[in-house]
Amino acid sequence: EADIYQTPRYLVIGTGKKITLECSQTMGHDKMYWYQQDPGMELHLIHYSYGVNSTEKGDLSSESTVSRIRTEHFPLTLESARPSHTSQYLCASAAGDTQYFGPGTRLTVL
Amino acid sequence: QKEVEQDPGPLSVPEGAIVSLNCTYSNSAFQYFMWYRQYSRKGPELLMYTYSSGNKEDGRFTAQVDKSSKYISLFIRDSQPSDSATYLCAAKTSYDKVIFGPGTSLSVIP
Repeated sequence: EADIYQTPRYLVIGTGKKITLECSQTMGHDKMYWYQQDPGMELHLIHYSYGVNSTEKGDLSSESTVSRIRTEHFPLTLESARPSHTSQYLCASAAGDTQYFGPGTRLTVL
Repeated sequence: QKEVEQDPGPLSVPEGAIVSLNCTYSNSAFQYFMWYRQYSRKGPELLMYTYSSGNKEDGRFTAQVDKSSKYISLFIRDSQPSDSATYLCAAKTSYDKVIFGPGTSLSVIP
């Protein structure tokens, strides 16, 4: 089983709040990703990183930001949550082409 | 047109049946093909990884890629209730990011 962790697992929050979704991996992988997944829809890449101090926006426009100060840590921040941000957020790290996913954070913005 | 498409299902089969899950893709530059399995409330996990056309077998699972028709298949023999999950196909070129399909929901009924 992959050693990649996400917290919190579930979050219900009001509009306008700032939130940070945590993602940590203990495998020493340089590549890390954040995906958004809605029911019946494909995973949409919102951010990725190929190493410390490297971050890029993905294919899906997102109002979130990420940072990569340490190899093992890749947090995602929403400065002002809105109901349209309600979704499942999946973090992954990769060795080569094999991605290892965390359990996800289910975010609901009221 | 989405780059990777698959029938979302749900697909329901009796225990012991042979299951066939299929995807089509549009980008002829895709060379690497993957199947991920996602249980409810969990992140996806890599099931099969293949390069270019051909078959790959791993226990009860066989992945098949036909690049001429841009068709990807996953066969599950002697299906078990524990195989009940959503199956995501994915593809990538040699230089770009992984593109995921929306997933097919499978239920194996005891």
